[in-house]
This record gives sequence, C-alpha cells and structure tokens, in this order.
Amino acid sequence: GAVVSQHPSWVICKSGTSVKIECRSLDFQATTMFWYRQFPKQSLMLMATSNEGSKATYEQGVEKDKFLINHASLTLSTLTVTSAHPEDSSFYICSAGQGADQPQHFGDGTRLSIL
Amino acid sequence: AQSVSQHNHHVILSEAASLELGCNYSYGGTVNLFWYVQYPGQHLQLLLKYFSGDPLVKGIKGFEAEFIKSKFSFNLRKPSVQWSDTAEYFCAVKSHNTDKLIFGTGTRLQVFP
Repeated sequence: GAVVSQHPSWVICKSGTSVKIECRSLDFQATTMFWYRQFPKQSLMLMATSNEGSKATYEQGVEKDKFLINHASLTLSTLTVTSAHPEDSSFYICSAGQGADQPQHFGDGTRLSIL
Repeated sequence: AQSVSQHNHHVILSEAASLELGCNYSYGGTVNLFWYVQYPGQHLQLLLKYFSGDPLVKGIKGFEAEFIKSKFSFNLRKPSVQWSDTAEYFCAVKSHNTDKLIFGTGTRLQVFP
C-alpha cells in the first residue's frame, strides 16, 4: 500500500529555534500534500494544503510566516516552524493524496516539544 | 462551511459487544466519506470509504458503515468488537471535487476483555 514517511518523529528544542519536518511519499507521487496539527485528545486540524511547484494554501488562522511550507517535488513536502515557542508544541501530521477520488495516506506524525 | 460531528467521545465496551459510532456532517453537495482509525502510537489508517454506489460499505477488520443521505450520516458499525479494536476513530468528509478532508473530533474506543 501507499506509504508516507514523516521525519523526525520527535523533536525537542529551545524556544526561538526553527524546526523542519519532512514528509515523503515513498512509493507513489503525491499531487497534493496536507499538513495537520493535532492537540491532545482532539481531532486533526488542517493547517495547509501543499501542491508541488506552487504556493501552499493556508487555512484561516494559520500564520503563513510562522509555518513555512515547501513542496519541492511530487514526493517531498516540508513544514518549517519558524522561531518556535512553547505554544507551538503539538503533534504535526502530514498526508499525501493522489487526487480527489483517492483517499489520503498519513504519515506517523511528528511530536514537537518547545522548551 | 463543512463540519463533521461525532457524538460519542468515549465508548467503553466488553469484547463481543456490538459497536455503533455516530457521524453526521453538514454539507449540501456531493461528498466522499471516510472512517480512519488511529491505534495507540500509530498513524491514521483508512478503515473504509464511500464515494458512490452501495451506501453500505464494508471495510477492513469487520467494520462497515452506512451512508444515509437523508440524515447526513455515516455511522460506523461492527457486530462484535475485539480487544484489539481499542483505538481512536475519526470520521472525515470531503466534497467530491476537492482533496481537502474535514475531520470529526474523534471517538475513543476502549474494549475490555
């Protein structure tokens, strides 16, 4: 089946640093990749939709300059949390889709802890 | 705007009990519907999906869901749960011509032996 790899799985860093999270589709080309944020015991909240070669589309309330998304190829999207602060601590999940008529495939998620 | 409601936040069952998890959505157009499962420490996995055709959809591990258009519902069922079904279950909806998924708040299922 389709596999999505997300790296790193867990990161702890100091307040003010920037953190990059990678999302790769290993055995298929993803026309679209999605970035979600999941708070403890809550649902996934879509942050942005990323299309290869174009700017990401951010959901309302998500800061574009805070959460930088780059979709360099059909198999790789990156999310960079810039100048991270403790309130950015969360579980970030990516998914990859192959079109509107196909289900999304999810990565294992990245647990980000900002001290 | 689209939204998804899962009314059961936490369900506790004994093994062999029957399961039904509610999911209702709000959207007037054609939708695709999904149930995802998240086992402890693992990523989201697709249980089943509805795009068109027979409104009764069968998924993996004995799960099924029924799309009732008039009720805007897509409830998940399993006749006899197992301890290994302990997980978080998410209902999700998207309009048929986009990739964007809207998730419900999730239902935590605990099955005791």
